[in-house]
Amino acid sequence: EAQVTQNPRYLITVTGKKLTVTCSQNMNHEYMSWYRQDPGLGLRQIYYSMNVEVTDKGDVPEGYKVSRKEKRNFPLILESPSPNQTSLYFCASSLSGDSPNYEQYFGPGTRLTVT
Amino acid sequence: KNQVEQSPQSLIILEGKNCTLQCNYTVSPFSNLRWYKQDTGRGPVSLTIMTFSENTKSNGRYTATLDADTKQSSLHITASQLSDSASYICVVTGMTTDSWGKLQFGAGTQVVVTP
Repeated sequence: EAQVTQNPRYLITVTGKKLTVTCSQNMNHEYMSWYRQDPGLGLRQIYYSMNVEVTDKGDVPEGYKVSRKEKRNFPLILESPSPNQTSLYFCASSLSGDSPNYEQYFGPGTRLTVT
Repeated sequence: KNQVEQSPQSLIILEGKNCTLQCNYTVSPFSNLRWYKQDTGRGPVSLTIMTFSENTKSNGRYTATLDADTKQSSLHITASQLSDSASYICVVTGMTTDSWGKLQFGAGTQVVVTP
């Protein structure tokens, strides 16, 4: 089944403890992206990747890192999480990095709580 | 300031009735405009995607329109069903090669369909 998977789905952690949220897609998509969703603010883009080894900042990249060493995986790294990073996180992928007109598929979400 | 504004913020409609959601944007030039449906706690699912040269697109009971001159889009839901209760999100993608990887999201319209 074609899908975007995220792990973990739920995570409670403490301030400053490094964590990684994994994202994987099995559709051979070139484009991948991370978003956070907060009440009243909607979805905001954190980082995106047009293809392997190519990443760019979205609107809210502060406090996050990403890497794209292989096409299927796009992990989101929080080196030193803070309470303001408590949010619902979504990973998404799209077929091509050459055109913006392809449908984007979203993962199921990761609910992160930083205490 | 958000480049994508949606209205209303929320609405309640009776099952079987029609409704229209609005999206105004300032992203320019833009490549495409998408409407997503998001059920509570789940990832968004694509309903329609329109390029700047298209002015209408349908997906079952959902019909999206686009007026690129006035930078307005609408999503019309016909004969609403209880399963239409969700948040509907308008997303605009920029045109230039260094901007189209970045998606601009509206805050969404929360639709509640009552029996």
